[in-house]
Amino acid sequence: EVQLVESGGGLVQPGGSLRLSCAASGFTFSSYWMSWVRQAPGKGLEWVANIKLDGSEQYSEDSVKGRFTISRDNAKNSLYLQMNSLRAEDTAVYYCADPGTGYWGQGTLVTVSS
Amino acid sequence: QSVLTQAPSASGTPGQRVTISCSGSSSNIGSKDVNWFQQLPGTAPKLVIYSSNQRPSGVPDRFSGSKSGTSASLAISGLQSEDEADYYCASWDVSLNGWVFGGGTKLTVL
Repeated sequence: EVQLVESGGGLVQPGGSLRLSCAASGFTFSSYWMSWVRQAPGKGLEWVANIKLDGSEQYSEDSVKGRFTISRDNAKNSLYLQMNSLRAEDTAVYYCADPGTGYWGQGTLVTVSS
Repeated sequence: QSVLTQAPSASGTPGQRVTISCSGSSSNIGSKDVNWFQQLPGTAPKLVIYSSNQRPSGVPDRFSGSKSGTSASLAISGLQSEDEADYYCASWDVSLNGWVFGGGTKLTVL
C-alpha cells in the first residue's frame, strides 16, 4: 500500500522558517518525480515545487522562488521542503504528492501568524 | 488565479449526468494529459481520472473523462449523493516544468 506521511507543520511567525518532511513507502520512491502541493483554507490546490527522480532538477512556482527549497533523500525514501521567510499567505495545508500517479499524503498544516 | 479554468460550481439531481469542464493552453492541456481529482471535505484529493480518460481501479465506471485541444471534461453519470465533492483538473505545464491545477468545481447533488 502506498503511503506518504507528512510532518513538520505548525504555527510560525511571519519571517520564520519551517522544514516539512514526507516519508514514503509502498512504492519505488526513487522512480518518481515528487511535488509539494498546498491548499490555503477554503481555496483550491496550488503546486508549490517539484524535484526530479535523482534530485538533480528542482522547479517551483514564482511566489516561493528564493524562499522555499525542495530536496529528497532516496536512501531514506523521504521528501523535504525547507520554507524560509514565511508570509501569512503561505498559510495552507501542504501535501506531499505525485499528481501524475495520484499518490497524496494526508497533509500537514502550516499557519503563519503573529 | 488558477492556470486552468473551471466553473466554480455545478449541480444535478440523483441519477442525472453532469459535466465539469477545464480549459487550459497549449503549454499544458494542449500538449499533455489531464488528471481529475475528487476532494471530500477535510480529506486529501483522490484520483478519479488519469491520462485524460482512464479510470483507476476502484473508481466507478460512472466517471469518464475526455480531452479535445486545450480543454478537458469530466462526466459523472447516474449521479449519487456520495459524488458531492470538489473536483479539480490538473495537467503538467511544459513551460513551468510543474503541475497546474484548475480552481476547482464544487458539485452539489440536489
